[in-house]
Amino acid sequence: KAGVTQTPRYLIKTRGQQVTLSCSPISGHRSVSWYQQTPGQGLQFLFEYFSETQRNKGNFPGRFSGRQFSNSRSEMNVSTLELGDSALYLCASSFVLRTQRVPGELFFGEGSRLTVL
Amino acid sequence: DAKTTQPNSMESNEEEPVHLPCNHSTISGTDYIHWYRQLPSQGPEYVIHGLTSNVNNRMASLAIAEDRKSSTLILHRATLRDAAVYYCILRGALGGNQFYFGTGTSLTVIP
Repeated sequence: KAGVTQTPRYLIKTRGQQVTLSCSPISGHRSVSWYQQTPGQGLQFLFEYFSETQRNKGNFPGRFSGRQFSNSRSEMNVSTLELGDSALYLCASSFVLRTQRVPGELFFGEGSRLTVL
Repeated sequence: DAKTTQPNSMESNEEEPVHLPCNHSTISGTDYIHWYRQLPSQGPEYVIHGLTSNVNNRMASLAIAEDRKSSTLILHRATLRDAAVYYCILRGALGGNQFYFGTGTSLTVIP
């Protein structure tokens, strides 16, 4: 079965621009979460979507936003880009049961590497 | 989520066992211990998880201390493909899938 697909894999933007990244989860997975990875801060949680609703949000400014569509595909958007937004953005999906009590295994994509000049 | 402490780096010879430690002294009774690893230029991948008892799977074993304040990921025979950053994460039973990754342990496997 196909894994988590993220597009684009690489992109370059300039300060002040905005960017939209896309994530297609594994078929049947309804939870999609996003992470930012930088050399200085490591892997940091951005937000999680489940059934088109944002379920959790990390400590990032409002310039970072996301959404999830009815087919579970997700997009994240960063507006007014800053140099510090240069990072690898990782998407992860998981299968969540209604009665699930154990945190589900996360399946990560290969990421979208954003460079802000 | 409670925090974890791991050594920044470790080395192992190829085909020898590797014991990767993790301290989590503030773990709560409902926190699961998860391990993920990230190979170069890839997203993290799941390795193993456990609650109280030791766990084994095809990739590794997880040994959990009786008081649950520490755990050890065991790779029985390290291969060059096991060179990666290993993350020990605590995750409660409730809530979503926000995993808080620490700095992890960078494992170098020496041929």
